[in-house]
Amino acid sequence: DQQVKQNSPSLSVQEGRISILNCDYTNSMFDYFLWYKKYPAEGPTFLISISSIKDKNEDGRFTVFLNKSAKHLSLHIVPSQPGDSAVYFCAASPLNFGNEKLTFGTGTRLTIIP
Amino acid sequence: NAGVTQTPKFRVLKTGQSMTLLCAQDMNHEYMYWYRQDPGMGLRLIHYSVGEGTTAKGKVPDGYNVSRLKKQNFLLGLESAAPSQTSVYFCASRQSSSYNSPLHFGNGTRLTVT
Repeated sequence: DQQVKQNSPSLSVQEGRISILNCDYTNSMFDYFLWYKKYPAEGPTFLISISSIKDKNEDGRFTVFLNKSAKHLSLHIVPSQPGDSAVYFCAASPLNFGNEKLTFGTGTRLTIIP
Repeated sequence: NAGVTQTPKFRVLKTGQSMTLLCAQDMNHEYMYWYRQDPGMGLRLIHYSVGEGTTAKGKVPDGYNVSRLKKQNFLLGLESAAPSQTSVYFCASRQSSSYNSPLHFGNGTRLTVT
């Protein structure tokens, strides 16, 4: 059963515009959420995270929004740049456990069009 | 500064053959993990280790064994490879057990079992 869902396998966005990647989860025990970015032939790299006590976390061009009641989070990239073209994985875990309980989504391939 | 290094990068096995995937990290991390990534599925945890000499099962451990004889190395073994084990394998490590200690991934090993 897929507890973390990324329903859009791919997304194309014009350079300079906003990219919005979405993630839904079903497990109400999840309290900590992360986004990882993956380039071809490389491993995923940590991008940004948010805990359930917040509804927004910003890091430069990247902002993650969390709506706990809807069990939904989104990653906003503004402005989008060609180097942002990658696969983005959403992940979630309970707060009181380590990464052993981390559950990943299936990923969204983002393509930035110059 | 190598981070997490996986060898080999590619391998083709025949059904029934065995092999070992090596993961080495130079960050003095206690925690190490093996994941597999398959199309349409998120990263799934195979086995993990919380320190030298320890190992534990993840969500999809069947058909795999692991060993952590040295802190910096985490080996993943396939005793009798099956086509269902065709996948991309990622090793990861992290500094601590804190939920906000992010995973550092290697670049993956692409394994094909024919």
